[in-house]
Amino acid sequence: EAGVAQSPRYKIIEKRQSVAFWCNPISGHATLYWYQQILGQGPKLLIQFQNNGVVDDSQLPKDRFSAERLKGVDSTLKIQPAKLEDSAVYLCASRGSLAGVIEQFFGPGTRLTVL
Amino acid sequence: DAKTTQPNSMESNEEEPVHLPCNHSTISGTDYIHWYRQLPSQGPEYVIHGLTSNVNNRMASLAIAEDRKSSTLILHRATLRDAAVYYCILANAGKSTFGDGTTLTVKP
Repeated sequence: EAGVAQSPRYKIIEKRQSVAFWCNPISGHATLYWYQQILGQGPKLLIQFQNNGVVDDSQLPKDRFSAERLKGVDSTLKIQPAKLEDSAVYLCASRGSLAGVIEQFFGPGTRLTVL
Repeated sequence: DAKTTQPNSMESNEEEPVHLPCNHSTISGTDYIHWYRQLPSQGPEYVIHGLTSNVNNRMASLAIAEDRKSSTLILHRATLRDAAVYYCILANAGKSTFGDGTTLTVKP
């Protein structure tokens, strides 16, 4: 079974520029998450999708961050414009929809450096 | 969101058991206790989860206190590959809130 794919793996941009990250979840997984992980901290949930609908985006800075999951499969996370404090690893995870399924599967992450 | 408290760091010797504690005094009746670990430069990976009873799987054991206000992840024989950050998480309705975890160092 293929895992969660993310691209790019690394990205360096200057502040005020825009950037986009892509995630392809495990086939058939209805729930998709985006997390932000700042160095030395645990992952922080930014947004959770169920199919192509948003379940929770309470911690997404909506003035600069946006995310979409068209067709309920792939997802993109965008930052526009980027700030220095956005430097972090952005993790995508997915979870199956069967009753009792608990485990989230994480991708390798995209490491963003904002200069 | 219910919170968990874990020690910042722990050390273990290779091939010895490791007990990683977690306090979650504000746990609700429907919260599951999850453990994930994160190896360097990788995304977190699932380790184990439980609700009320102790659980065992190929990776670890989870011991849950009778009042559910604390739990312990047990690695029966630590290896160098177990060196990672271990997260204890309370999860409900598919949502998990990560803390900063315990960094486990395994000494040869």
